[in-house]
Amino acid sequence: DAGVTQSPTHLIKTRGQQVTLRCSPKSGHDTVSWYQQALGQGPQFIFQYYEEEERQRGNFPDRFSGHQFPNYSSELNVNALLLGDSALYLCASSFWTGDSQETQYFGPGTRLLVL
Amino acid sequence: AQSVTQLGSHVSVSEGALVLLRCNYSSSVPPYLFWYVQYPNQGLQLLLKYTSAATLVKGINGFEAEFKKSETSFHLTKPSAHMSDAAEYFCAVSGTDKLIFGTGTRLQVFP
Repeated sequence: DAGVTQSPTHLIKTRGQQVTLRCSPKSGHDTVSWYQQALGQGPQFIFQYYEEEERQRGNFPDRFSGHQFPNYSSELNVNALLLGDSALYLCASSFWTGDSQETQYFGPGTRLLVL
Repeated sequence: AQSVTQLGSHVSVSEGALVLLRCNYSSSVPPYLFWYVQYPNQGLQLLLKYTSAATLVKGINGFEAEFKKSETSFHLTKPSAHMSDAAEYFCAVSGTDKLIFGTGTRLQVFP
């Protein structure tokens, strides 16, 4: 059973560019959440997708957007990249039950470096 | 608002010694609490979670945590450290479908 997969593993961009990160959830999961983990910090919630809709959003600017496809996979897009966007981007999947105790399973992450 | 505080950004122990990683939470509702581990250049792996079924929660790799409401704590312990336990450990509280993480504790294990 494949776990959560993310691509690419590493990415280097320059300021002002746009980037798209991809995530495939664990088999049987229908909800995808994205987190940003800056160096030396804990992950910060960006947003969550369920039924192809953004259900909840953290304190991130509109430059961060996402999408969920009918097969539950998801993309994270970041426009007008800033140096401060350099981080490890983590995708987590879960099965929606309406209860906050659902376990989120994390992928290996995409490490983004903005120069 | 919900939050977690991890006391001690670095903890060092000898192999075979007790591991104690501290986490205190703040929540206006009964919390769901999690411990995750992150090995270098990897994602997060769930160690254990508390969902109010039992106050002492056993996880993988010999780790366990005890929920203490009176102390608003959820400390992670392991009786005997192994070299392979060296990693970053994150405590998290579940808040309306998102996880709120602490800043992490780096565990070093010396031979």
